[in-house]
Amino acid sequence: QKEVEQDPGPLSVPEGAIVSLNCTYSNSAFQYFMWYRQYSRKGPELLMYTYSSGNKEDGRFTAQVDKSSKYISLFIRDSQPSDSATYLCAMTGSNYQLIWGAGTKLIIKP
Amino acid sequence: EAQVTQNPRYLITVTGKKLTVTCSQNMNHEYMSWYRQDPGLGLRQIYYSMNVEVTDKGDVPEGYKVSRKEKRNFPLILESPSPNQTSLYFCASSPLRAGIQYFGAGTRLSVL
Repeated sequence: QKEVEQDPGPLSVPEGAIVSLNCTYSNSAFQYFMWYRQYSRKGPELLMYTYSSGNKEDGRFTAQVDKSSKYISLFIRDSQPSDSATYLCAMTGSNYQLIWGAGTKLIIKP
Repeated sequence: EAQVTQNPRYLITVTGKKLTVTCSQNMNHEYMSWYRQDPGLGLRQIYYSMNVEVTDKGDVPEGYKVSRKEKRNFPLILESPSPNQTSLYFCASSPLRAGIQYFGAGTRLSVL
């Protein structure tokens, strides 16, 4: 079993829909949880960063961490075609080494 | 502009011909890392460096070498490339704030 599980998709939704992306993990030592966005032919870029449990909001994006369930989510409101990308979850404990999900390919249809 | 620069962006080579992919960052970051990305396997770490002259193996180090003689540079060396090293490679750097890494644009390598 992988330490971090993420559905690779693709996930296709119409423009304007609310998107929910998820990852589960097995290591209870993880404290830092990240979402990276990767456009085609580009490197990943940090989108959201959360420490421990709780919610964090940034514009149309909300990151949610439930450590009791070992489950993290990224919600995108009012999705736009420009949100079409691969979204990678990543997490780490205190050693700065990131453990990555496989990435979910998201397609927003105009 | 703060950035991580990789070169070359695209490379086609033949089995056994030594090659080097360069990586340079201008953010004065202590931490640098190399990843490969393959369909269905996600990002896998090859090597990382916590500071100058300090390097450590990641998850898939076989067939690769690195060096960190200067803080800004972290080249990836394939001394005898094989077809199973055909992949998309990313260099990343970090200010050692857990989880925050900045990536280069990637190097697509094909080994024939």
